[in-house]
Amino acid sequence: GQQVMQIPQYQHVQEGEDFTTYCNSSTTLSNIQWYKQRPGGHPVFLIQLVKSGEVKKQKRLTFQFGEAKKNSSLHITATQTTDVGTYFCAGPGTSGSRLTFGEGTQLTVNP
Amino acid sequence: NAGVTQTPKFQVLKTGQSMTLQCAQDMNHEYMSWYRQDPGMGLRLIHYSVGAGITDQGEVPNGYNVSRSTTEDFPLRLLSAAPSQTSVYFCASSTSGRAFTDTQYFGPGTRLTVL
Repeated sequence: GQQVMQIPQYQHVQEGEDFTTYCNSSTTLSNIQWYKQRPGGHPVFLIQLVKSGEVKKQKRLTFQFGEAKKNSSLHITATQTTDVGTYFCAGPGTSGSRLTFGEGTQLTVNP
Repeated sequence: NAGVTQTPKFQVLKTGQSMTLQCAQDMNHEYMSWYRQDPGMGLRLIHYSVGAGITDQGEVPNGYNVSRSTTEDFPLRLLSAAPSQTSVYFCASSTSGRAFTDTQYFGPGTRLTVL
């Protein structure tokens, strides 16, 4: 089925450093979503990208959708301890109304 | 609105026992789904429903049953619990039947341990 691959699996940074997670698909995606899960919490929707080459910003977070709509990235500038958590990308499944999640990138921030 | 609620929050079962995880939403959402989360494996779809009376299998449906008799409720039944079903279970809902274009609202999760 549709697979959305995400790298890296883990990332440790010092507070103030930048962070990027990447999401890749073998097929073209109609859209992609990003979620954040705080430790012990549940996933929370961050954003959806739909257009080829789309770039959206939310304060220190920048989301990009590739020109071929096969990859996406989330970049955090000057990380803070509040950024700690696991970031997931999610895309359409191959059948029905499914939403398929990547494996997630777990971010830790050392103060 | 309470959003998506799940009960229980924690559960310990013995191998072979059965139980039902409850999920309810008060947002009149058409789409509801169940995911399990295991370390390093992200969120894997178990079953989903695009509306009352309609259910379908996800990626990992074996050992689980669902039903959707009302718009609000989407219980997940473990038929005969196995240690491999130890996981965190999340229920999610969204407005329409097109899950991949709608914001998914997740419940707080149920942490299940099978001994």
